[in-house]
Amino acid sequence: GENVGLHLPTLSVQEGDNSIINCAYSNSASDYFIWYKQESGKGPQFIIDIRSNMDKRQGQRVTVLLNKTVKHLSLQIAATQPGDSAVYFCAEKTSGGYNKLIFGAGTRLAVHP
Amino acid sequence: SQTIHQWPATLVQPVGSPLSLECTVEGTSNPNLYWYRQAAGRGLQLLFYSVGIGQISSEVPQNLSASRPQDRQFILSSKKLLLSDSGFYLCAWRPKTTGGNTEAFFGQGTRLTVV
Repeated sequence: GENVGLHLPTLSVQEGDNSIINCAYSNSASDYFIWYKQESGKGPQFIIDIRSNMDKRQGQRVTVLLNKTVKHLSLQIAATQPGDSAVYFCAEKTSGGYNKLIFGAGTRLAVHP
Repeated sequence: SQTIHQWPATLVQPVGSPLSLECTVEGTSNPNLYWYRQAAGRGLQLLFYSVGIGQISSEVPQNLSASRPQDRQFILSSKKLLLSDSGFYLCAWRPKTTGGNTEAFFGQGTRLTVV
């Protein structure tokens, strides 16, 4: 379901380290997942997506891992930079509800120099 | 290329006043359209979505309504605002595809403060 009532957890990392942001989803019928980045006062921006027939997908400096057995999604950011500081959301689409994207609660990533 | 416009960027309204937020999409046709709300420091809550002109699905019973008078226009309204309506409102669109495995493209949002 939507965790819209929860305050955002924060992940603090040092510049240059790798970051791992996690997301648990509840609907086993979800078949498509997206990671978004949201900077303060702006709309979310697409980072990377993955379909349920895959367990890993790589982009530029980012990797998404999907574990359907435990309904877990993660976003790995390599060599984290100050510009990566933002709130990160996962979103899921269910196979029957293809019109809707439901978002997770979000994680704030703080990158320290 | 496709673009999405959302306005105004900020809005301060008194309790009990009406609301109208507008969103338009350019460069595509027959999109799915969405309104989300984001309370400060929290996640995105889906409020409404529309698959076509005049077709509105409501996700959360509340003080708001939505309308889609034209293919690429989506409007969020309220007759009387409540303090709890304050938040960051985001419009988004997604293309229609078989299976629906497409990202949503977001506008820049409207920050609404009800006083």
